[in-house]
Amino acid sequence: AQTVTQSQPEMSVQEAETVTLSCTYDTSESDYYLFWYKQPPSRQMILVIRQEAYKQQNATENRFSVNFQKAAKSFSLKISDSQLGDAAMYFCAYRRGQNFVFGPGTRLSVLP
Amino acid sequence: GAGVSQSPSNKVTEKGKDVELRCDPISGHTALYWYRQSLGQGLEFLIYFQGNSAPDKSGLPSDRFSAERTGGSVSTLTIQRTQQEDSAVYLCASSLAGGTGSYEQYFGPGTRLTVT
Repeated sequence: AQTVTQSQPEMSVQEAETVTLSCTYDTSESDYYLFWYKQPPSRQMILVIRQEAYKQQNATENRFSVNFQKAAKSFSLKISDSQLGDAAMYFCAYRRGQNFVFGPGTRLSVLP
Repeated sequence: GAGVSQSPSNKVTEKGKDVELRCDPISGHTALYWYRQSLGQGLEFLIYFQGNSAPDKSGLPSDRFSAERTGGSVSTLTIQRTQQEDSAVYLCASSLAGGTGSYEQYFGPGTRLTVT
């Protein structure tokens, strides 16, 4: 069975600095998709970024980028120029077919 | 367009009562998922629908939990004889397709259930 691990239960970053959240996963498949979701205190889950496993190029969405290492089964999220509004729970997720697996989450605090 | 909606947003019930939680997915989304999230925790998968059928019910924690989906749209999660450990936020998500593609899940705002 696929598993997703986020080894950092909590992280903090100074406003305007850069932070990296780690995620590793376990799968025997070669074709799958990876996502990072953000859940602010409002509890509304929002998609931050996605990565197709067949693409070698790392996905980027404005201040958010990923470091996708397929062989190492690693999918970290980098947030540049952190803003107060980035404070939230961040969940890494794996998808193959209808099977979605979420990691336990990392709570990110942004310090002014 | 409209996103995923859930009702009620908050529900307080007495132990032993039955509750129904509703999810309206995005129009045209064939896949629908229910998750449970305890305070400050991750998402616990409950059940997945493809159309009106539920090929994966493996996450339902007990036979007090059931779910149905009608018309390939609205879904209802029912918890019978609620217990205090059922207190959590119940999240619903929908997706364009359950089979292939990088289709992400779109989440509703959740229903916070409190069992007293």
